[in-house]
Amino acid sequence: SQQGEEDPQALSIQEGENATMNCSYKTSINNLQWYRQNSGRGLVHLILIRSNEREKHSGRLRVTLDTSKKSSSLLITASRAADTASYFCATVFLGGNQFYFGTGTSLTVIP
Amino acid sequence: DAGVIQSPRHEVTEMGQEVTLRCKPISGHNSLFWYRQTMMRGLELLIYFNNNVPIDDSGMPEDRFSAKMPNASFSTLKIQPSEPRDSAVYFCASSSISTGGTGELFFGEGSRLTVL
Repeated sequence: SQQGEEDPQALSIQEGENATMNCSYKTSINNLQWYRQNSGRGLVHLILIRSNEREKHSGRLRVTLDTSKKSSSLLITASRAADTASYFCATVFLGGNQFYFGTGTSLTVIP
Repeated sequence: DAGVIQSPRHEVTEMGQEVTLRCKPISGHNSLFWYRQTMMRGLELLIYFNNNVPIDDSGMPEDRFSAKMPNASFSTLKIQPSEPRDSAVYFCASSSISTGGTGELFFGEGSRLTVL
């Protein structure tokens, strides 16, 4: 399978805490993206990190990429109840434009 | 912009019937993707079009599935005949892919298919 894998599969935290999700993939990438999916809705793009970047920030989001380990992490700081959703990483492999999604992490933020 | 528009949002049909799912991508986007989402298999890429041409259909599960993109503003995914194991949420997504593949995907709200 060309899908990546996220861990943990599920994460439950208190409001105000930080949430960290990890993504591993298998082959060389052009870029890696993180998406969010609220229940019953389509996925929404959060952030993109290119293969030559190591870290990127957007608001309360921080993404890191380690191409030697073929892994990425998404950190959501100061979580809010509204952050409750599933989070997916998507990889775009070298030489292609296809987006392959991981298995997702279900995040629950308890008010 | 209205975003990616999919129809129907929900479809319930009986085994053996033909199902057609429709997608209108965002105007100006040059790439369109069909995905299937299930609890067991997650998000699977079924087929990818670039400039209305199918580029990669290796994810289409079997010959019962077919997809077309007759023009830049419309695509269909057809299942004939449908089977209960086809029950899933089918997503269409579009993107403006530049050289180097650094676009982002814009998803529709999905079509939830139930085959009885």
